[in-house]
Amino acid sequence: ETGVTQTPRHLVMGMTNKKSLKCEQHLGHNAMYWYKQSAKKPLELMFVYNFKEQTENNSVPSRFSPECPNSSHLFLHLHTLQPEDSALYLCASSPWGEEDTQYFGPGTRLTVL
Amino acid sequence: RKEVEQDPGPFNVPEGATVAFNCTYSNSASQSFFWYRQDCRKEPKLLMSVYSSGNEDGRFTAQLNRASQYISLLIRDSKLSDSATYLCAVNPIYGGSQGNLIFGKGTKLSVKP
Repeated sequence: ETGVTQTPRHLVMGMTNKKSLKCEQHLGHNAMYWYKQSAKKPLELMFVYNFKEQTENNSVPSRFSPECPNSSHLFLHLHTLQPEDSALYLCASSPWGEEDTQYFGPGTRLTVL
Repeated sequence: RKEVEQDPGPFNVPEGATVAFNCTYSNSASQSFFWYRQDCRKEPKLLMSVYSSGNEDGRFTAQLNRASQYISLLIRDSKLSDSATYLCAVNPIYGGSQGNLIFGKGTKLSVKP
């Protein structure tokens, strides 16, 4: 299934590195989301974009910087991360009028050394 | 009280058994509820939506109890392939944007031969 794709699938970075996560959806959806999933914690919503406009920022530290150039692409730019930021970062999308029905990508497993 | 709570399990059941999970939510104004399934090292996938009293899809039945603020997921005639973590999600709709799902930590199910 290739509805929502994410690259890279795995990423190891040092605390001084700058990297970006990419998400692309091929479903014609208008809303896209970034979630963080850490071990033994629930999925945490980070950012919401609707028609390219950011509609939610869930008190995420500024070392995470999202970018949504169009309704099909979503990026998460990372810089000066901390080891506790190591987690699975999931992208999701949802169709117009059905924002609760979210389709997830496979995620990027991030390790910060 | 946490916004969405689930028994983490694991629930270990034999094939063919009937198993039920509960999920409690704290915001009484919540309107929509979801069960997602997440296989090990995979992304969550939507299993069922619950907007009114309940929903049924084959061996799976979801029920909503607004008075006691919980939703349940019943799996009948469980299969080995049902082994996964089941995530409960709630849209609180208390003034934020649509699509701001709050997830529980998940309940792990292991179906044994």
